[in-house]
Amino acid sequence: DGGITQSPKYLFRKEGQNVTLSCEQNLNHDAMYWYRQDPGQGLRLIYYSQIVNDFQKGDIAEGYSVSREKKESFPLTVTSAQKNPTAFYLCASSLNLAPGFGEQYFGPGTRLTVT
Amino acid sequence: SQQGEEDPQALSIQEGENATMNCSYKTSINNLQWYRQNSGRGLVHLILIRSNEREKHSGRLRVTLDTSKKSSSLLITASRAADTASYFCATDALGVNRDDKIIFGKGTRLHILP
Repeated sequence: DGGITQSPKYLFRKEGQNVTLSCEQNLNHDAMYWYRQDPGQGLRLIYYSQIVNDFQKGDIAEGYSVSREKKESFPLTVTSAQKNPTAFYLCASSLNLAPGFGEQYFGPGTRLTVT
Repeated sequence: SQQGEEDPQALSIQEGENATMNCSYKTSINNLQWYRQNSGRGLVHLILIRSNEREKHSGRLRVTLDTSKKSSSLLITASRAADTASYFCATDALGVNRDDKIIFGKGTRLHILP
């Protein structure tokens, strides 16, 4: 089965704790992305990576960190510095079709609740 | 306001009718994409249209792009209950020095009435 997976589906954390969200793809895509979605809102880009060992900040990178050590994996850490971390987090991947961004394949999302 | 903005924010139509959603954007783009999202799920890609294309079809979907007006429309013909979802447009915001961005609008919530 080819696809993109995120785990866990639901995650609960206490304020002040760092938490890492998993994203794995077996589509052999070069590019991977992390988005945040708040209720009734569109997606906002947190970080993206177009190649292993390289990544760029999106519009709302503050309080988040990522790594891209393997092509298949792009984990997102929500740090205690993120002021309002409760949200729905979506990971996506795509072929790197420069110029521009190609068709993105999304995972099922992780709903993070911080109390 | 955002790069991509959908209009209307919400739309309710009877099953069998056509649904039209619009997207406006501000900067030059390489391509524009439309996605569907069912509640609480990830997004599903519908269509990608490049800046040098004016119209594209996929099944019951028709997308148009007018780069002079910086706008796109998504038409769903003969709507079905299963089309109930939120629909988002996504545009490249062309940058320099490897800082291109992809920007999603806030979406149109489509509800198909039985």
